[in-house]
Amino acid sequence: AQSVAQPEDQVNVAEGNPLTVKCTYSVSGNPYLFWYVQYPNRGLQFLLKYITGDNLVKGSYGFEAEFNKSQTSFHLKKPSALVSDSALYFCAVRPDHGGSQGNLIFGKGTKLSVKP
Amino acid sequence: NAGVTQTPKFQVLKTGQSMTLQCAQDMNHEYMSWYRQDPGMGLRLIHYSVGAGITDQGEVPNGYNVSRSTTEDFPLRLLSAAPSQTSVYFCASSYNGGSRPSSYNSPLHFGNGTRLTVT
Repeated sequence: AQSVAQPEDQVNVAEGNPLTVKCTYSVSGNPYLFWYVQYPNRGLQFLLKYITGDNLVKGSYGFEAEFNKSQTSFHLKKPSALVSDSALYFCAVRPDHGGSQGNLIFGKGTKLSVKP
Repeated sequence: NAGVTQTPKFQVLKTGQSMTLQCAQDMNHEYMSWYRQDPGMGLRLIHYSVGAGITDQGEVPNGYNVSRSTTEDFPLRLLSAAPSQTSVYFCASSYNGGSRPSSYNSPLHFGNGTRLTVT
């Protein structure tokens, strides 16, 4: 079965330190990969996506993500965390074949907590 | 642009009652979908639509109905609410989807959700 795993329920970092939120996937073919962020009482907001090309993609708010095909991973990173980055982060995968109807498969989410 | 608008923001129902969660988008998106978000479960797809007049079931469709009579609107109906349907519901849309895999790179745009409690 196709799936997305976010192995950490919560990640704690100090402000100014680098952060990584992990994501691995099990999807056939060459899927499209996304990261979304959710602030309290809000819907999900798109951060960045990987379609093809350079394995390091840059997105909103200084976030970037590294695609590793051999490890089927798409980890979210930021060189210097801010308190305002504290939120719930979701990794999502969209299989590239028509049978998926374009539906996204979401991970369970990782709560990022950045302390001053 | 308003984006994706969901109403109501909050709703409390008694078991057995029915209601409709409204979703409208003003971006002329073909693809629309409904998710529910439960603690520790992430987002699970309920129903989706790849265009007006076309709907299909997602991962957890039981107890929910949808219709898509226009491109803009995609309401979700609970015919007989159950406590297991207590959740936060999100509507989402994107520019492309369905029968065009080459266009699956469009991100989803989400509404701000409806928090539903069934007692």
